[in-house]
This record gives sequence, C-alpha cells and structure tokens, in this order.
Amino acid sequence: SQTIHQWPATLVQPVGSPLSLECTVEGTSNPNLYWYRQAAGRGLQLLFYSVGIGQISSEVPQNLSASRPQDRQFILSSKKLLLSDSGFYLCAWKEVGLLGEQYFGPGTRLTVT
Amino acid sequence: AQSVSQHNHHVILSEAASLELGCNYSYGGTVNLFWYVQYPGQHLQLLLKYFSGDPLVKGIKGFEAEFIKSKFSFNLRKPSVQWSDTAEYFCAVNNAGNMLTFGGGTRLMVKP
Repeated sequence: SQTIHQWPATLVQPVGSPLSLECTVEGTSNPNLYWYRQAAGRGLQLLFYSVGIGQISSEVPQNLSASRPQDRQFILSSKKLLLSDSGFYLCAWKEVGLLGEQYFGPGTRLTVT
Repeated sequence: AQSVSQHNHHVILSEAASLELGCNYSYGGTVNLFWYVQYPGQHLQLLLKYFSGDPLVKGIKGFEAEFIKSKFSFNLRKPSVQWSDTAEYFCAVNNAGNMLTFGGGTRLMVKP
C-alpha cells in the first residue's frame, strides 16, 4: 500500500532563516506531487505541484520554492522565512491517470518567530 | 478560475441531529467532486467522491452527498451525527486536470 511521509512534524524558525520541508511517498511510481498551505478558515491553498522529476509548477508567487530531486521526493524550501510563512503545510500525491483524487500527508506546522 | 464556496464556517450540533454542509463551485464544465475530512490531530482523508453516474454518492461513516448540476452544488449530509464526527470538512473540485480547488472548510462540533 502507498504511504506518504512528511517531516518535520513541527518547526519553529526565526524570521530570515532558511527552510526545508521534505515529503516522500512510498508504494507508487511517478506520482503527481503537491504542496499546499492550510490557513484557518481559508481552506487549502495550492503552492506547487509536480508531474515528474525536476518539473515544478508554481501556483502562487511567494517566498517559497519547491524541488523534486527524486521520483517520490518533494521538497519545499525558502532562503529567508517571513512571518507570513507561518502555517500548516501539507504534501499530497495522486496517481497519474486517476481522476483528481489526492492523498495527503500528516503535515508540518511551521511557526516563524 | 474555478472557485469553491463553503458558506458554513462553523457548525455546532447535538448528537443525533441531522447535518447538511453546503458546497458550491463556479466551474461550468465537467467536474469531479470530493469531500475531505480532517479529524483533530489526523491526516486529511477522503470522505467521498463523485465522478459520474448516480448523483447521490455514499461515503464512509454514513455520509452522503448529492451532486446537483443545475445548482453547481455538492452538499454533504448525514442523518444523525455522532460526537466522533467532530472535525473540519472540506469540499474540493477537480475539472479533470491535475489540481484540486478547495473550499474554505467547515468546522463541525458535535456536542455529546
């Protein structure tokens, strides 16, 4: 069966520090991968998605970037965090060819101080 | 761009009450529709989905949703809620591409 991992689970970082959040998927090949940010009352905002290694699409211009160095690894990064980057970050995957349904990881709670 | 609206941000019910959470979307073409649920401290998980066929779909834990194309709606229902249904519920829409558009979520609290 497929599983999705995210780490760390929680993170407290000062303003201006770098960020690296990691997501890995097991049990599937060549999945579509997604990064979302969840803010209270605002649902899930799609940040980035990837259909393959090295292929990244950005949905919202911002202080963050994403990379996909391996088939089942998706990384969310920032060179300098802002206070507004605080939030709950979710990674998700979808099998290529299946209609729409995405599966979510446990998330990372990021607090920028 | 498509959008999804969940008009009820917070709902408080007593156990055994009936539940209906509204979801409306803006896209006019063919859509796939989803309800996700996030229980406290748990992953976001799929509750039910609609792709085609019978517009009344049944999901896990006694939930169902009805797709009404003319109203661009996909409301979630449950005849009798339990305390364990306390969670945040998200409606999502996919127009056959790679992306989901989510509503703002509805926080449901069920009082025992």
